[in-house]
Amino acid sequence: EAQVTQNPRYLITVTGKKLTVTCSQNMNHEYMSWYRQDPGLGLRQIYYSMNVEVTDKGDVPEGYKVSRKEKRNFPLILESPSPNQTSLYFCASSFSATASGTEQFFGPGTRLTVL
Amino acid sequence: AQSVSQHNHHVILSEAASLELGCNYSYGGTVNLFWYVQYPGQHLQLLLKYFSGDPLVKGIKGFEAEFIKSKFSFNLRKPSVQWSDTAEYFCAVTPHYGQNFVFGPGTRLSVLP
Repeated sequence: EAQVTQNPRYLITVTGKKLTVTCSQNMNHEYMSWYRQDPGLGLRQIYYSMNVEVTDKGDVPEGYKVSRKEKRNFPLILESPSPNQTSLYFCASSFSATASGTEQFFGPGTRLTVL
Repeated sequence: AQSVSQHNHHVILSEAASLELGCNYSYGGTVNLFWYVQYPGQHLQLLLKYFSGDPLVKGIKGFEAEFIKSKFSFNLRKPSVQWSDTAEYFCAVTPHYGQNFVFGPGTRLSVLP
């Protein structure tokens, strides 16, 4: 089944404790992206990746890191989480980021709480 | 920078009523436009998309949207809503050959049985 998976689905942590949220897609998509969803703000793009070893900042990259060593995986890293990073996070992928390929497929979401 | 606005924060309708959700974007070039739906507790799913051609696009579940370039708008419509349409709806835009996606803040639709 074609899908985007994220782990963990729920995470409660404390300020400053490094964490990684994994994202994996099995559709051979070139483009992958991370979003955070907050009430009243919709989805805001954190980072995106056009292909392996190619990443770039979205609208709200502060406090986050990403890597794209393999095509299928795009982990989101919070080196020192803070309470303002409490949010619902979605990973998404698409065949490409150009013209006809830009429909995104979303993962199930990761609800992160930073105490 | 691109931005997307959605006119209504929360819309409440009775079943069988007609629906129109507004979406306006700001970007000077050619864009791709999308409407996504998020049912309670679920992830986003694509309702419909516009890349080029006919500005009236039809999507799943009886939804359609019209791209009006002169108004920078991409409003979502459905002639008769059902209780199962209760969800949050997001408009999104990306440049035609671009890399970043921008979503609107969302409109919550509540359909009363």
